Amino acid sequence: TQLLEQSPQFLSIQEGENLTVYCNSSSVFSSLQWYRQEPGEGPVLLVTVVTGGEVKKLKRLTFQFGDARKDSSLHITAAQPGDTGLYLCAGSPLPYNTDKLIFGTGTRLQVFP
Amino acid sequence: NAGVMQNPRHLVRRRGQEARLRCSPMKGHSHVYWYRQLPEEGLKFMVYLQKENIIDESGMPKERFSAEFPKEGPSILRIQQVVRGDSAAYFCASSPMTGNNEQFFGPGTRLTVL
Repeated sequence: TQLLEQSPQFLSIQEGENLTVYCNSSSVFSSLQWYRQEPGEGPVLLVTVVTGGEVKKLKRLTFQFGDARKDSSLHITAAQPGDTGLYLCAGSPLPYNTDKLIFGTGTRLQVFP
Repeated sequence: NAGVMQNPRHLVRRRGQEARLRCSPMKGHSHVYWYRQLPEEGLKFMVYLQKENIIDESGMPKERFSAEFPKEGPSILRIQQVVRGDSAAYFCASSPMTGNNEQFFGPGTRLTVL
């Protein structure tokens, strides 16, 4: 069973469009991280959300942590080709309180010029 | 401040050989994690180490795989008698403290077993 489900799995859009990626679980997380991974490279940390209901902005990216800390979303405004990549959510589910990260299934985004 | 460094970036081994993957954490980071990404699959945790200690190896295959993080030098992930199913990208991550959950990843080592 997959602890963190992401949707959609694939997304192809035109430059300038908006999009939202979802990360859902039935488990509660102490925090969730969002990473972006490009082909042949390691995941790059984008943001960490900690508090239920928290919203964080990173330029055109808006991250939200669900009130119950079971889900998160990533919204990209006016997507650009440079946003292309694999987006991964990750976290450590409670009550295990372990440092190992569980990764989501991933959303592969392609932005066409 | 250099990021997490891994070498080699690409490693080719024949079945039965040994593979040694090295990871140098970010400066000031004493926690190292290894993850494996199989083709078309997600990242899976393998092992968590602090200097000279294995903290959590629940994701490590029971045989042929071992990891260490000595007092001096990089962390090493060692795979003995490699098989084709070991072909994957192996990523190392580091963090400065426990309970933080913010892990910074290296570029990975892509292992190909012929």
